[in-house]
Amino acid sequence: AQSVSQHNHHVILSEAASLELGCNYSYGGTVNLFWYVQYPGQHLQLLLKYFSGDPLVKGIKGFEAEFIKSKFSFNLRKPSVQWSDTAEYFCAVNARGNTPLVFGKGTRLSVIA
Amino acid sequence: GAGVSQSPSNKVTEKGKDVELRCDPISGHTALYWYRQRLGQGLEFLIYFQGNSAPDKSGLPSDRFSAERTGESVSTLTIQRTQQEDSAVYLCASSLPSGRVLNEQFFGPGTRLTVL
Repeated sequence: AQSVSQHNHHVILSEAASLELGCNYSYGGTVNLFWYVQYPGQHLQLLLKYFSGDPLVKGIKGFEAEFIKSKFSFNLRKPSVQWSDTAEYFCAVNARGNTPLVFGKGTRLSVIA
Repeated sequence: GAGVSQSPSNKVTEKGKDVELRCDPISGHTALYWYRQRLGQGLEFLIYFQGNSAPDKSGLPSDRFSAERTGESVSTLTIQRTQQEDSAVYLCASSLPSGRVLNEQFFGPGTRLTVL
């Protein structure tokens, strides 16, 4: 069975600090990888996704993630966070095709001035 | 509407009562998913509909949970004889048919269920 592990439960950063959120997955086959974000009071929205091709994917709001197949990882990065990045971030994976997503438990990011 | 909508946004019920939650997917999205998010947890898959195929019910936690979908539109998730551990946010998502490039799931705002 697939599983997703997010290493950090809560991360606190100052504005302009760099961000890296860890995500590892467990699955033997080909996967699609996603990062979703949930801003306070809003619903889940997609930050970025990886299906194939270049393992470094760019998403919205300056986020990027790198798929490292040998490490089963898909870490999320941003060079300089802003207060508005305060949110909960979820890593998710599914198998090829329209299959349900398996989510990690989420990482809460708090950005302080 | 442009996105996935869910109703009600909040539901408070007493233990033992039945509840019905509704999801309206994005028009043209043949795949529809139900997830739940309990406090401090990630999202757990419950059930998945794809067109006219039999639904994948493998995530339903007990036989108190059931879901229906009318064609390729509205879906209702029913929880019978609710228990306190059913308290969670229930999220619905929809996506384009299998085989399309994007394969992205779009989420609704969720229904927050509280069982007293």
